[in-house]
Amino acid sequence: KAGVTQTPRYLIKTRGQQVTLSCSPISGHRSVSWYQQTPGQGLQFLFEYFSETQRNKGNFPGRFSGRQFSNSRSEMNVSTLELGDSALYLCASSYRTGGTGEAFFGQGTRLTVV
Amino acid sequence: AQTVTQSQPEMSVQEAETVTLSCTYDTSESDYYLFWYKQPPSRQMILVIRQEAYKQQNATENRFSVNFQKAAKSFSLKISDSQLGDAAMYFCAYSLDDKIIFGKGTRLHILP
Repeated sequence: KAGVTQTPRYLIKTRGQQVTLSCSPISGHRSVSWYQQTPGQGLQFLFEYFSETQRNKGNFPGRFSGRQFSNSRSEMNVSTLELGDSALYLCASSYRTGGTGEAFFGQGTRLTVV
Repeated sequence: AQTVTQSQPEMSVQEAETVTLSCTYDTSESDYYLFWYKQPPSRQMILVIRQEAYKQQNATENRFSVNFQKAAKSFSLKISDSQLGDAAMYFCAYSLDDKIIFGKGTRLHILP
C-alpha cells in the first residue's frame, strides 16, 4: 500500500509570491490534515479536510487556505508569502475523522521563502 | 485550551539500556487519544504508540510502552533495549476532534 505522498519535496519562493502544495493520502483514507513545522513553534495544526469539507482550522491567517478533491487528494495554498512562512509542511491522512484513528504522515514539503 | 508539554528537550541513553521520555498534557475532556510519534532525520513522522484515554491498560508495542496516568495527565514513553535506530525526535501528541496537538519534542541520542 502506497504511503502519503507530498509534492514537491523542496521549494524555494520569493516573498510576495504564492505557493501550492499537494498531498495524496493513502488509498481509502478520506481525512487529510496539514501541519506546519518550524524550529521555534514546533508542529502546528493548519486545517483538516474530510470528504471535501474543511472540518477544523488552526490559528493561521487567511493567507493559508486549502481544499480537498473528490479523490481525497488535498492542496494547500499560501498567498503573499512571508519569510516566516519558511517551514516544513506535513500532511497526514487518516481513515476516519475525529482524531481517533492513527494519522499517517508524508515526508513533507520543505518551503524556503527568500 | 489543550496543551502538551515535554519537559526534556534532549536526552541520551546508552545502547541496550532503557530510557523514559516524559509528557504531560492539559485538557478538560474525558475521552481523547494520546500518541507518541518519532521523527528521524528523514523528517517522516512515524507513529510509535497510541493510547485511548478510556482504556486503563497501558499500551505496549514491542520495546515501546507507555505509563498513562489519567488523573495526573501524564503520558510517558519507555523505550527498552535502546537501539541506534531509535535516535530521533520524539513528539508526544494529544488528539481530540479533528486535530492533533503536539508537544515541542524530545531529541533522543543513542550512545554506542
